[in-house]
Amino acid sequence: EIVLTQSPATLSVSPGERATLSCRASQSVRSHLAWYQQKSGQAPRLLIYDASTRATGIPARFSGSGSGTDFTLTISSLEPEDFAVYYCQHRVDWPLTFGGGTKVEIK
Amino acid sequence: QLHLQESGPGLVKPSETLSLSCSVSGGSINSGSYYWGWIRQPPGKGLEWIGSVYHSGSPYYNPSLKWRITISPDTSKNQFSLRLRSVTASDTAVYYCARFSWKLEAFDVWGQGTVVTVSS
Repeated sequence: EIVLTQSPATLSVSPGERATLSCRASQSVRSHLAWYQQKSGQAPRLLIYDASTRATGIPARFSGSGSGTDFTLTISSLEPEDFAVYYCQHRVDWPLTFGGGTKVEIK
Repeated sequence: QLHLQESGPGLVKPSETLSLSCSVSGGSINSGSYYWGWIRQPPGKGLEWIGSVYHSGSPYYNPSLKWRITISPDTSKNQFSLRLRSVTASDTAVYYCARFSWKLEAFDVWGQGTVVTVSS
């Protein structure tokens, strides 16, 4: 089973600033990585798939990069609605797994 | 627009079986491009994949749960279900159903989630 480790656990950022979130895989997942956003009390929402492709309707301020074992989700300029928890997920093989999440909070 | 809706008891006693259904509207689970899955989230914790199933069967399960779970499609009702046997308090969670896209290799449509508490 591939383990995804996200860091930091909590990221304190001011609105308008840049946020950089990390997801590291215990073995290569090539580019088979997705990112989700979850706001309090809501279901997760798909942001990024294939490591770097934005899902339908996702603003351009969200970008993903990386391949192999190291991946990054960048939010270029945080909007108030971006404060949430973010999860990565791989599907290079079964079982798919999620990372533990990064909470982006207001500084 | 595709919509998924979970249903089932909100309270289950320890050692009993948790049974949930996910009704799919605005699309068919018979589509060959998708798997249909369950994900759960214990209170204050992260997401845990439970398992996913194709419309014709062929499920994949989380190894840590596979001895206790059955996920099966019901194409006649356009829904799929989860059965989790021998539950304990650690199975208390919000349970989500979601569509897994093979093209995206990600869950692109989610239900709103249903809270299940295991308690006597």
